[in-house]
Amino acid sequence: QITLKESGPTLVKPTQTLTLTCTFSGFSLTTSGLAVGWLRQPPGKAPEWLSLIYWDDDKRYSPSLKSRLTVTKDTSKNEVVLTMTNMAPVDTATYYCAHYETADHTGFDIWGQGTKVTVSS
Amino acid sequence: QAVLTQPPSASGTPGQGVIISCSGSRSNLGNRYVYWYKQFPGMAPKFLIYANNQRPSGVPDRISGSKSGTSASLAISGLRPEDEADYYCTSWDDSLSTWVFGGGTKLTVL
Repeated sequence: QITLKESGPTLVKPTQTLTLTCTFSGFSLTTSGLAVGWLRQPPGKAPEWLSLIYWDDDKRYSPSLKSRLTVTKDTSKNEVVLTMTNMAPVDTATYYCAHYETADHTGFDIWGQGTKVTVSS
Repeated sequence: QAVLTQPPSASGTPGQGVIISCSGSRSNLGNRYVYWYKQFPGMAPKFLIYANNQRPSGVPDRISGSKSGTSASLAISGLRPEDEADYYCTSWDDSLSTWVFGGGTKLTVL
């Protein structure tokens, strides 16, 4: 059974850097074809894709946020870490990590429960 | 302004059928698969349809997806109260190099 769980601060101040950790089980990011994605959803709005990190350490970022995002993985801990710099109130959202499989074109099939992040001074 | 266009709301009575549309362009739905998610308030999106019309295990066959050209649809037949939720379509956009989402459709079961 695949599960993912996000963790990190619930409140960050403007200009600070946000660091979120996705801890997963039921799969390994050393397996060919697998990836972990990050998405966020502002209150009352649609989800927005942020990043993907693949089993081979290939990384993809949303072009609009690329300059502020960094994603890394620790396969020994089954963790993926997302950092987002220069946080602003518009970045207030629920942040999700999700299992992503390139084979069979299943996309983001399993999501974590999400972690709510508020940006406020 | 969402890249994919969905109606903001849809409704139906129990037992009825409803179709939710998702309109895009050649750079996304025209060339790529569409995916659908269902979301209850305060919960994470749930995987509903992938690769245009494939159902993950556990999704009932009264829920179906289709795509034609730059438009896609999610059809739900035999509406049940538990179908009341927000529904989102998404696809990869080759021009923007990003996953794009629809603005979401709030389905009300009257």
